[in-house]
Amino acid sequence: SAVISQKPSRDICQRGTSLTIQCQVDSQVTMMFWYRQQPGQSLTLIATANQGSEATYESGFVIDKFPISRPNLTFSTLTVSNMSPEDSSIYLCSVEQGVSTGELFFGEGSRLTVL
Amino acid sequence: AQRVTQPEKLLSVFKGAPVELKCNYSYSGSPELFWYVQYSRQRLQLLLRHISRESIKGFTADLNKGETSFHLKKPFAQEEDSAMYYCALKKTSGYSTLTFGKGTMLLVSP
Repeated sequence: SAVISQKPSRDICQRGTSLTIQCQVDSQVTMMFWYRQQPGQSLTLIATANQGSEATYESGFVIDKFPISRPNLTFSTLTVSNMSPEDSSIYLCSVEQGVSTGELFFGEGSRLTVL
Repeated sequence: AQRVTQPEKLLSVFKGAPVELKCNYSYSGSPELFWYVQYSRQRLQLLLRHISRESIKGFTADLNKGETSFHLKKPFAQEEDSAMYYCALKKTSGYSTLTFGKGTMLLVSP
């Protein structure tokens, strides 16, 4: 199993600002996934981050709004840019056990509140 | 496009009662289904997957392709089963991009 640490665990942000969430894994992984969970909603995949290449974004999410870095096999960042109250969510980092198993390990999440 | 539906936001039962958390899916291909669970103050974690056909913490789930369902069942609920349960679907090809349902909160009362 993988241990995932996310920072910050929570933050309160002002409208128009940007915040970067960090995700650190205790082992090398090929794919890292970023999910969003809005209040009362399900988890929605934002993007898949592969080391050494640009992230692959899901429909409805764009790189300008959610830039992602993946500098090595144990670390990734997600930035939420030019935030609005609609961006208030829990943002989750996850990695996969094995390859294409569907068995995901999740971080504790970063709860962002945008005022 | 794939979709996962969990019709109940909240399911409240008494300890010892049977539990069934419903999950229905729509997907044109052959899906892989999972149940994830989040206990209070803990991170989301995998409970079981249909391919394994296993029982975890007394829970089982059978994939019914005819009814496009993957309901989670337990014959006798325990208080420690109280948690948020998410059904998830994975496409059989490509990366593990899971589609999650909205979740069902299970509350087991003494």
